[in-house]
Amino acid sequence: KQEVTQIPAALSVPEGENLVLNCSFTDSAIYNLQWFRQDPGKGLTSLLLIQSSQREQTSGRLNASLDKSSGRSTLYIAASQPGDSATYLCAVRVQGAQKLVFGQGTRLTINP
Amino acid sequence: NAGVMQNPRHLVRRRGQEARLRCSPMKGHSHVYWYRQLPEEGLKFMVYLQKENIIDESGMPKERFSAEFPKEGPSILRIQQVVRGDSAAYFCASSPVGGLSGELFFGEGSRLTVL
Repeated sequence: KQEVTQIPAALSVPEGENLVLNCSFTDSAIYNLQWFRQDPGKGLTSLLLIQSSQREQTSGRLNASLDKSSGRSTLYIAASQPGDSATYLCAVRVQGAQKLVFGQGTRLTINP
Repeated sequence: NAGVMQNPRHLVRRRGQEARLRCSPMKGHSHVYWYRQLPEEGLKFMVYLQKENIIDESGMPKERFSAEFPKEGPSILRIQQVVRGDSAAYFCASSPVGGLSGELFFGEGSRLTVL
């Protein structure tokens, strides 16, 4: 059974810092991994999608890496801003099934 | 191109009533997924549907819950005889045809409160 873990559960940093959010999964048989952002009381916004054959994806100040063999992904946020404050969710698409399995998320607070 | 549309955004029901949640996927998307987010918990898969077919309902509770995605109209998640434990945010996501390696796009969610 696939399990996804995100560490830390919460993170608070001053504005301008670069930071890394971690995601680990127990079964390397995945189609892809997707990072989402969720604001309080809102839906999920897709940030980056990494296919199982890829090592990383970049979008603006965000960079996500994938090491499938070790079951790890990281989301790197450069030059953090208060607007980046949200919960960040990592999810893997399980092979042999259509569903996404989500981690519990990392609640990020960027202090001005 | 409108995103995934869910309604109602908020729904209040008394115990024993029925709740119907609707989801219109993004234009051109024929795959719909429902997820539930209980308070202080992560998102859990419930069901995956294509038009007129339930493909995977392994995450659906055995009783009181049902889902459909008719040929015309939105996907419906139906909860009969709601109980307090059904209070949660229910999210719908869609992906285009052949979505195994594709990106999922989520709606804003429907927040159900059972009194």
